Amino acid sequence: ETGVTQTPRHLVMGMTNKKSLKCEQHLGHNAMYWYKQSAKKPLELMFVYNFKEQTENNSVPSRFSPECPNSSHLFLHLHTLQPEDSALYLCASSQDAWAGGNEQYFGPGTRLTVT
Amino acid sequence: DQQVKQNSPSLSVQEGRISILNCDYTNSMFDYFLWYKKYPAEGPTFLISISSIKDKNEDGRFTVFLNKSAKHLSLHIVPSQPGDSAVYFCAASSFSGGYNKLIFGAGTRLAVHP
Repeated sequence: ETGVTQTPRHLVMGMTNKKSLKCEQHLGHNAMYWYKQSAKKPLELMFVYNFKEQTENNSVPSRFSPECPNSSHLFLHLHTLQPEDSALYLCASSQDAWAGGNEQYFGPGTRLTVT
Repeated sequence: DQQVKQNSPSLSVQEGRISILNCDYTNSMFDYFLWYKKYPAEGPTFLISISSIKDKNEDGRFTVFLNKSAKHLSLHIVPSQPGDSAVYFCAASSFSGGYNKLIFGAGTRLAVHP
């Protein structure tokens, strides 16, 4: 595997379910990110981890819970979601979260549908 | 309050001609600007960037121009090829809260037709 991988690629869940999204980066990076992309809207930053420490929680509801066990893996735990949470969830990584220009490498995303 | 705006949701260009994608921003503290390209079912991929201290950066067929006084940047693709058909996102970077944060525009869908 190379780059940034995400599983699953598609997920349909009910509002009472609990599920997790997984992201893995094979680039030796130290920062990882979760973004949400709703239809025709800009990518919206949700969480930032830099050297496994969470540095940003962009006012995300508690029904989204991130976990970063090491610099290569990032999870997004989901529970009691709402239909408006249906979106494309993108994971990204970068060398670190401090460098100016901060080029980020993205995974293919998980298309989430909440029914 | 969108700090980065791409006002054209779509653009259609003939193969071989120039594609110009535009982006406006409001925050004068942005220090880098980046362009990403996204194909369907794939994540965005980095294309080209420019520092706020420069006004032009070129990489092959891609050139980014920055006009700080107008808070405007543009991406020129010359010559355009059918494989360039994708959604292009403009992003701006600023150091805030202890890390560099990227703020994205909503994207412009480019279609290059033969």
